[in-house]
Amino acid sequence: DTEVTQTPKHLVMGMTNKKSLKCEQHMGHRAMYWYKQKAKKPPELMFVYSYEKLSINESVPSRFSPECPNSSLLNLHLHALQPEDSALYLCASTRAPNEEKLFFGSGTQLSVL
Amino acid sequence: DQQVKQNSPSLSVQEGRISILNCDYTNSMFDYFLWYKKYPAEGPTFLISISSIKDKNEDGRFTVFLNKSAKHLSLHIVPSQPGDSAVYFCAASGNSGGSNYKLTFGKGTLLTVNP
Repeated sequence: DTEVTQTPKHLVMGMTNKKSLKCEQHMGHRAMYWYKQKAKKPPELMFVYSYEKLSINESVPSRFSPECPNSSLLNLHLHALQPEDSALYLCASTRAPNEEKLFFGSGTQLSVL
Repeated sequence: DQQVKQNSPSLSVQEGRISILNCDYTNSMFDYFLWYKKYPAEGPTFLISISSIKDKNEDGRFTVFLNKSAKHLSLHIVPSQPGDSAVYFCAASGNSGGSNYKLTFGKGTLLTVNP
């Protein structure tokens, strides 16, 4: 299994909704990442988990709340988002925290109305 | 301040010819470089990488060249195939001083290979 699986693929939510994005990998990778990508822009790092502990938070607003329940799962909880948060949210993993070769999921295309 | 620049938003080449995608960087601490390929509605997939101790790395039809003095790298695809049509991202990393390496991505170049 060499995949990073993200659900849902598409999500439309209102500004008062609470939703969660899910990410799963079974490659035994010990670092997992959330990236945000707007159209025609590069992916931007949001959070990094190393060995299930949050190690990097790139000054992301608190309306985004990550969670790493175990070494295979990564969630991103969303609450009170703004329309400008609409983007493609990508999950990725690496075998170890100090490796550069990211394995990306297909992403969740999020629209905030 | 954009530390990794891909100045060509798009490139169009004929099938069978060479595709050359360029990338420039400004941070001299970068010591590892990667190319990712992205199809619509999919996540980026790793293509090829190069360490700063090398100036060339080859993998099948894909070759990456690194010119450290010019802070420039390029991806050559020979021969180009229609299935290569995608957005190509250049990415760079350097030891941030912690236990995590953070990739800095360029904005991407849309490659279109025409049959």
